[in-house]
Amino acid sequence: DQQVKQNSPSLSVQEGRISILNCDYTNSMFDYFLWYKKYPAEGPTFLISISSIKDKNEDGRFTVFLNKSAKHLSLHIVPSQPGDSAVYFCAASPISNFGNEKLTFGTGTRLTIIP
Amino acid sequence: DGGITQSPKYLFRKEGQNVTLSCEQNLNHDAMYWYRQDPGQGLRLIYYSQIVNDFQKGDIAEGYSVSREKKESFPLTVTSAQKNPTAFYLCASSMGRSRSNQPQHFGDGTRLSIL
Repeated sequence: DQQVKQNSPSLSVQEGRISILNCDYTNSMFDYFLWYKKYPAEGPTFLISISSIKDKNEDGRFTVFLNKSAKHLSLHIVPSQPGDSAVYFCAASPISNFGNEKLTFGTGTRLTIIP
Repeated sequence: DGGITQSPKYLFRKEGQNVTLSCEQNLNHDAMYWYRQDPGQGLRLIYYSQIVNDFQKGDIAEGYSVSREKKESFPLTVTSAQKNPTAFYLCASSMGRSRSNQPQHFGDGTRLSIL
């Protein structure tokens, strides 16, 4: 049962344009969402997060949008740069007495920026 | 500088052998985690530890064991009972229950292969 879904395995975007990566979730108990970027043979690098009390969080070129009613979040990268080419993972966790320790990951979207 | 160190980067194991993967962090984080990544899949949680001398099973703990004798260290043993151990193993840490909504930070992984 895939509770976090990234339905696009790959995405190609022209350099300088906007990249939009999507993620859907099914567990209504999820309340903290994260995006990670991963290069081959390296660990994921944290990019940006959002808690369920917000619908938007921005950090430089990266913006995450959360639509709780649709159980959907998206990551916008603008402008896209060649160094953004990587696999992007969406992750989510439920609130609990112990903090947000159990992350559930999507299967990832491979983003390729075309020069 | 602070970070998470996983060693070795590549590991080979013969059938029937146990093998231990090392994970050390100097971020003063309370919580540590082990994930497994298989091709085309997201990260799946094996074990996690919120505090020294305590750990919990994740979603795919069978065939694995861990210990948490020191705050900085969370070694993972892949036992001979793990039927399909070939994978990319990732260790992560976070502030844990002392601070909610904090991201997990990852090491660069260990790739385990069966000879």
